[in-house]
Amino acid sequence: QQQVKQSPQSLIVQKGGISIINCAYENTAFDYFPWYQQFPGKGPALLIAIRPDVSEKKEGRFTISFNKSAKQFSLHIMDSQPGDSATYFCAASPSGSRLTFGEGTQLTVNP
Amino acid sequence: DVKVTQSSRYLVKRTGEKVFLECVQDMDHENMFWYRQDPGLGLRLIYFSYDVKMKEKGDIPEGYSVSREKKERFSLILESASTNQTSMYLCASSLWDGYTFGSGTRLTVV
Repeated sequence: QQQVKQSPQSLIVQKGGISIINCAYENTAFDYFPWYQQFPGKGPALLIAIRPDVSEKKEGRFTISFNKSAKQFSLHIMDSQPGDSATYFCAASPSGSRLTFGEGTQLTVNP
Repeated sequence: DVKVTQSSRYLVKRTGEKVFLECVQDMDHENMFWYRQDPGLGLRLIYFSYDVKMKEKGDIPEGYSVSREKKERFSLILESASTNQTSMYLCASSLWDGYTFGSGTRLTVV
């Protein structure tokens, strides 16, 4: 009930391509869906977040797409750059409550 | 910017030792969390606290305890370290939804 399933585990994309990472959840009480970005040697940092009252949120090259009926959400990175190479985590929670994280996706963007 | 500071970046401890991991945040956040990060398993919640002196078990509390005597400080304690507790430990704090993480402590138990 509390799980968040993330795929793929690893992803290799060419510079300029689109990176897509998917997450699925089960708990219908979840209403906050953030994505975190983690570089080696650093803690995860909040990248972008969405609430279920909208189906899409865009911040620069990063977009979250949210499908409430399917209980799925995804991160799209447009025009991927080598500097985007990092580990990405999706997460979900009831608002104001503890986050449950996905397993993580290691993204490599080749020059 | 909120800063979450973990006292050690790397630690090597022996099996059976009592280990203290310290975390301090500087923005008066109510909520603090301890996660461990292992490849392929993501971030798993060990313990969390919504107030001073308060603590709640997360998903994997076995073998761990915590202490929160002051609002800004949240300590993770490994009562008797074991090799399966070798991991990256991440502390986070939040006011509501957005977490701020520390840089992590990589603990190796030998």
